Amino acid sequence: AQTVTQSQPEMSVQEAETVTLSCTYDTSESDYYLFWYKQPPSRQMILVIRQEAYKQQNATENRFSVNFQKAAKSFSLKISDSQLGDAAMYFCAYRSASQGGSEKLVFGKGTKLTVNP
Amino acid sequence: DSGVTQTPKHLITATGQRVTLRCSPRSGDLSVYWYQQSLDQGLQFLIHYYNGEERAKGNILERFSAQQFPDLHSELNLSSLELGDSALYFCASSVSGLAAQSSYNEQFFGPGTRLTVL
Repeated sequence: AQTVTQSQPEMSVQEAETVTLSCTYDTSESDYYLFWYKQPPSRQMILVIRQEAYKQQNATENRFSVNFQKAAKSFSLKISDSQLGDAAMYFCAYRSASQGGSEKLVFGKGTKLTVNP
Repeated sequence: DSGVTQTPKHLITATGQRVTLRCSPRSGDLSVYWYQQSLDQGLQFLIHYYNGEERAKGNILERFSAQQFPDLHSELNLSSLELGDSALYFCASSVSGLAAQSSYNEQFFGPGTRLTVL
């Protein structure tokens, strides 16, 4: 079974600075997707960024980028120019892309990000 | 707004009772997924329905059941409720339930139903 580990329960960053959230995963599959979701105090789950395992190029969405290391099974999220609105819980998630594989998302325990003004 | 709706927003009930949570997927989405978010277990997958048929089951208790209706809305039924069932229950929807699809097949989450069992 696949597992996702987020080793940092809490992180903090100064406004306008850069922060990196860590995520590692365990799988025997070669084809899969990885995601970062943001959950602000409203509790809404918002997709931040996604990565296909077969793509070597790291995904980027505006101020959010990932460092995907397939061999190391690592998928970290970098937030640049942090803003107060980035304060939230961040969840790393895995999904199989295998034929007949489950569509379920497997989540890590989350990292609570605080942004200090 | 993801386009996924869930009702009710909050639910408070007593142990031993039965409740029904409702989810309407985004227009055109055939798949509905249910997840449970609790302090103890984090975010866990419960069950996946695709076009009315059950596709996958996760850590769903026997006291819990779900179904997807012909109009594609879904209901999650929780019975013989225990204190530990208190959690936030999310529904998500996506276009397809086919893992082999080349697209990300993004899952769009509803706002959740907060269940409190007293």
